[in-house]
Amino acid sequence: RKEVEQDPGPFNVPEGATVAFNCTYSNSASQSFFWYRQDCRKEPKLLMSVYSSGNEDGRFTAQLNRASQYISLLIRDSKLSDSATYLCVVSLRSHSGTYKYIFGTGTRLKVLA
Amino acid sequence: SQTIHQWPATLVQPVGSPLSLECTVEGTSNPNLYWYRQAAGRGLQLLFYSVGIGQISSEVPQNLSASRPQDRQFILSSKKLLLSDSGFYLCACQDRQAFFGQGTRLTVV
Repeated sequence: RKEVEQDPGPFNVPEGATVAFNCTYSNSASQSFFWYRQDCRKEPKLLMSVYSSGNEDGRFTAQLNRASQYISLLIRDSKLSDSATYLCVVSLRSHSGTYKYIFGTGTRLKVLA
Repeated sequence: SQTIHQWPATLVQPVGSPLSLECTVEGTSNPNLYWYRQAAGRGLQLLFYSVGIGQISSEVPQNLSASRPQDRQFILSSKKLLLSDSGFYLCACQDRQAFFGQGTRLTVV
């Protein structure tokens, strides 16, 4: 079983649609959770951190369910510029104090005009 | 905030040639630095990480090596490239968040 699993997609949605991505992780000791966005042939960039209480940033809402080891990202009113690959990322702190990051393979989103 | 410089952006090298990719960090001291490789359609694979000058940890056995000659400099090297070394190489600075350089797309021909 992969440490972080995501549906690779692609998700093809019309502009204005609402789309949801899901992610599961296997290590219950995971401490921090993130969604990163990666455009084609570019580096990943932090989209938002994910907190247990759920958090929202404009059109983006992220939620975490620690009991189910499940993370979600909801994008409302999709824009053409939202087209990208969305990476689910978990991290845990090692005994040495360094942070180990585990990246999902990403979910590809294409927003259509 | 941190800025990570990585070069070159793209590289085409023949099989058997050497490799040197450089990463430098600005805006922080004593960073934890990481090298990842991302193959087409696959996730990021951690190759090496370093918590300080001269300290290198390797995650997977491979044809590559890394060095940390200065606090804010992290170098990825190979003496002889293989076709399977092709990929997108990313340098990252990680603490509570992960920040990436712009990446180097390496094609071994």
